[in-house]
Amino acid sequence: QKEVEQDPGPLSVPEGAIVSLNCTYSNSAFQYFMWYRQYSRKGPELLMYTYSSGNKEDGRFTAQVDKSSKYISLFIRDSQPSDSATYLCAMRGGGSGNTPLVFGKGTRLSVIA
Amino acid sequence: EADIYQTPRYLVIGTGKKITLECSQTMGHDKMYWYQQDPGMELHLIHYSYGVNSTEKGDLSSESTVSRIRTEHFPLTLESARPSHTSQYLCASSEVFGSGYTFGSGTRLTVV
Repeated sequence: QKEVEQDPGPLSVPEGAIVSLNCTYSNSAFQYFMWYRQYSRKGPELLMYTYSSGNKEDGRFTAQVDKSSKYISLFIRDSQPSDSATYLCAMRGGGSGNTPLVFGKGTRLSVIA
Repeated sequence: EADIYQTPRYLVIGTGKKITLECSQTMGHDKMYWYQQDPGMELHLIHYSYGVNSTEKGDLSSESTVSRIRTEHFPLTLESARPSHTSQYLCASSEVFGSGYTFGSGTRLTVV
């Protein structure tokens, strides 16, 4: 079983739709959760960063972490064509266990005008 | 401007050649990473570094080497390129392990 599972899509939605992107994970030691956005022919850029369980909101983006279910989500409200990109979840353990991030496969999103 | 740079952006090379992919960052980050990315697949960690003169192997390290002589520079070397090395290579850095990474734009390598 892979540590992080993410449906690669592709996901196509009309402009203005609410988008839900999700990842599941198996390692209960994961404490830090991130979402990256990657445009074509570019490197990933950090979009959202959350610690432990709960919600975090930034503009049109909301990140949710449910550690009891080992499930994280990214919601995009009022989606725009400029949101068309691949979205990768990433996570790592906490404490002194300094280990690099583990990434999901990424979900390719297309927002149609 | 603080950033991370990768060169070359694109490279086509013959089988058996030795190649070095360059990565430099201007942010003074101690931690640096190399990932391999294929379409529809996870980012696979190749090598990472805690700081100067410190390197560690990741999942796919067996056919490549890295060095970290200066904080800002973290080159990746393939001693003998093979078609199976055809991929995108991403370099990243972070202030502490696992914090938000800053990625370069990548090197797209094709081995023919």
